[in-house]
Amino acid sequence: DAKTTQPPSMDCAEGRAANLPCNHSTISGNEYVYWYRQIHSQGPQYIIHGLKNNETNEMASLIITEDRKSSTLILPHATLRDTAVYYCIVRLLNYGGSQGNLIFGKGTKLSVKP
Amino acid sequence: ETGVTQTPRHLVMGMTNKKSLKCEQHLGHNAMYWYKQSAKKPLELMFVYNFKEQTENNSVPSRFSPECPNSSHLFLHLHTLQPEDSALYLCASSQETSGGYNEQFFGPGTRLTVL
Repeated sequence: DAKTTQPPSMDCAEGRAANLPCNHSTISGNEYVYWYRQIHSQGPQYIIHGLKNNETNEMASLIITEDRKSSTLILPHATLRDTAVYYCIVRLLNYGGSQGNLIFGKGTKLSVKP
Repeated sequence: ETGVTQTPRHLVMGMTNKKSLKCEQHLGHNAMYWYKQSAKKPLELMFVYNFKEQTENNSVPSRFSPECPNSSHLFLHLHTLQPEDSALYLCASSQETSGGYNEQFFGPGTRLTVL
């Protein structure tokens, strides 16, 4: 089972920031937070991951709380093409067999509206 | 384009047919995966291959038979499927090292319908 909890759906106005929350209260010290998204009828796409520091790349920013029990994915200027299901996944990074597998939950369906 | 291709993109088959799904990755990765995504259900990991060796089989029925002839190609052979096997089948690849896991790159999937 997925170790994360996300709202099932969210709306965001085009051009505004989209903030997608994720709870992972049982995360352990050597587990990372990963974010993927899946645009309709396509394969999932990697967005970003982090351990405890905030991370930023060309797609998004990841803010992880100090206690690491929750995080927020931020799309700074959402476009219509960002409409997708966003998955927050807790994943062991150290090589150790199946514990590194991606376990997908139901994710958050983000709808960006004009 | 993610560097992972899948063929065919759509497949309709009867329960008595035998068919194969093909996945090819052009990224030089050493691990490949099959996932199943049924309607309104989360993605489910089916099989994992590392360096052409199967390292995981998540209790998948024997009517699904994977094959990994080399690190760039992965097949999923299908026979005597059931209508409930209709789903989107996704292939992914990644570069796994002793330093840890890396992100997986997914193909576009094969939409399978079993009649």
